[in-house]
Amino acid sequence: KQEVTQIPAALSVPEGENLVLNCSFTDSAIYNLQWFRQDPGKGLTSLLLIQSSQREQTSGRLNASLDKSSGRSTLYIAASQPGDSATYLCAVRSGGSYIPTFGRGTSLIVHP
Amino acid sequence: GAVVSQHPSRVICKSGTSVKIECRSLDFQATTMFWYRQFPKKSLMLMATSNEGSKATYEQGVEKDKFLINHASLTLSTLTVTSAHPEDSSFYICSAIRDGGPYEQYFGPGTRLTVT
Repeated sequence: KQEVTQIPAALSVPEGENLVLNCSFTDSAIYNLQWFRQDPGKGLTSLLLIQSSQREQTSGRLNASLDKSSGRSTLYIAASQPGDSATYLCAVRSGGSYIPTFGRGTSLIVHP
Repeated sequence: GAVVSQHPSRVICKSGTSVKIECRSLDFQATTMFWYRQFPKKSLMLMATSNEGSKATYEQGVEKDKFLINHASLTLSTLTVTSAHPEDSSFYICSAIRDGGPYEQYFGPGTRLTVT
C-alpha cells in the first residue's frame, strides 16, 4: 500500500526566501505525482503534474522534481511571497490505479 | 480549460434531512470522478470513486446507503447525504479526471455542509 509523507508539516518564513517542500512515497512504481495548493476553505488547485518518465516540471516560480528510485519529490518555491501562503499537498498515483494517495500537506505561511 | 464546479458551495440543513451536492466538469468529459471528505486541518479522505454508468466504488468504512453517488452523465456526478446528522458536517470536495489522459486530477471548489 502506497504511503505518502510530507515534511515539514508546517513552515513559516519571511518574504523573499527560497523554499523546499518535501514529499516521499513508499512504492516507487508510480504513474504520476501531482502537487496541489489549497487555500483555507477552498478546493485544490493543481500546480504541477510530473509523469513517471519525467524528472521535473516548472511553472513560474515553482519547480517540482521527481526521483522515483529514492521515492521523493520536492517542490521548490523561489522568492516566496505572502500570497504563497497556503497548504501544499502532494498526491501520488500508483501504476494501474486511478486512485491517488495524498500526503497530509505542508502548511506554509510567508510573512511580509 | 479543465474546470470543475460544485454546487452548492455552502449548505446548512437540519438533522434527518437529505442534501444533494453536484459536481460538474464544465469543459471536458470525465468518466471517473472522486468524492473526498476533509476534516479541519486534515488531509483529504477519499470516500468513493464515481464511474459514469456504473455503481460507485466506496472506500472501506464509508456507508454507501448514507452517501449515495450517481454519475449519470460524463459531466455530472452527485453525492447525496441521506438522513444527515451533525457528524456529517464537513467539507466535501470532488475531483474529475479528463477522459483520454494524462490522468491529471481537477478539483472542484468544495462544499461546506453544516448539519444542525
